[in-house]
Amino acid sequence: AQSVTQLDSQVPVFEEAPVELRCNYSSSVSVYLFWYVQYPNQGLQLLLKYLSGSTLVKGINGFEAEFNKSQTSFHLRKPSVHISDTAEYFCAVSGTGGAQKLVFGQGTRLTINP
Amino acid sequence: EAQVTQNPRYLITVTGKKLTVTCSQNMNHEYMSWYRQDPGLGLRQIYYSMNVEVTDKGDVPEGYKVSRKEKRNFPLILESPSPNQTSLYFCASSLSGSWVNEQFFGPGTRLTVL
Repeated sequence: AQSVTQLDSQVPVFEEAPVELRCNYSSSVSVYLFWYVQYPNQGLQLLLKYLSGSTLVKGINGFEAEFNKSQTSFHLRKPSVHISDTAEYFCAVSGTGGAQKLVFGQGTRLTINP
Repeated sequence: EAQVTQNPRYLITVTGKKLTVTCSQNMNHEYMSWYRQDPGLGLRQIYYSMNVEVTDKGDVPEGYKVSRKEKRNFPLILESPSPNQTSLYFCASSLSGSWVNEQFFGPGTRLTVL
């Protein structure tokens, strides 16, 4: 079974500052990794995903994440945030085999201050 | 427009009064799923369906029922709601049950059980 831990429940940053949202996972098998974003009063939408290949994954809205197998991490980064990035961010993991469950982390609330 | 719709968006009810939350997708997706979102717990899967007439339990199925009589619809039924089912509910769909395919989420239904 897989599990995922988002190390920060809340992250406040100033506008135009860089940000990193941390995600660590646990799995005995190969994994797919995902970051989802939830804007206020909306459903989740996929930000980016790692399936295989390059460990640096680029997503929408200028976000990127790096898969680090040795550290079992998949941290999300953005070099310069905007007010519109205020949202809750969820990391998720699944195994790569058939009939695998998708396990979500607890979420990190990103607050951008002007 | 490709989308997942849920109704109602907000619902306040009383203990024991049966209710149904509808979910519909217009993308001809085979896989549909229900999640509940609670603070500090992330998203947890309630039930999922790989195709018409094929449903299975997720991680927290107690107190819920589902049906999948048509490909586009996947209603969530609470036969006798209790206060611990107060939560934010999301329906999601994807092309298949493989997480290689993007999962699309509905806007959410906020349920309060008094």
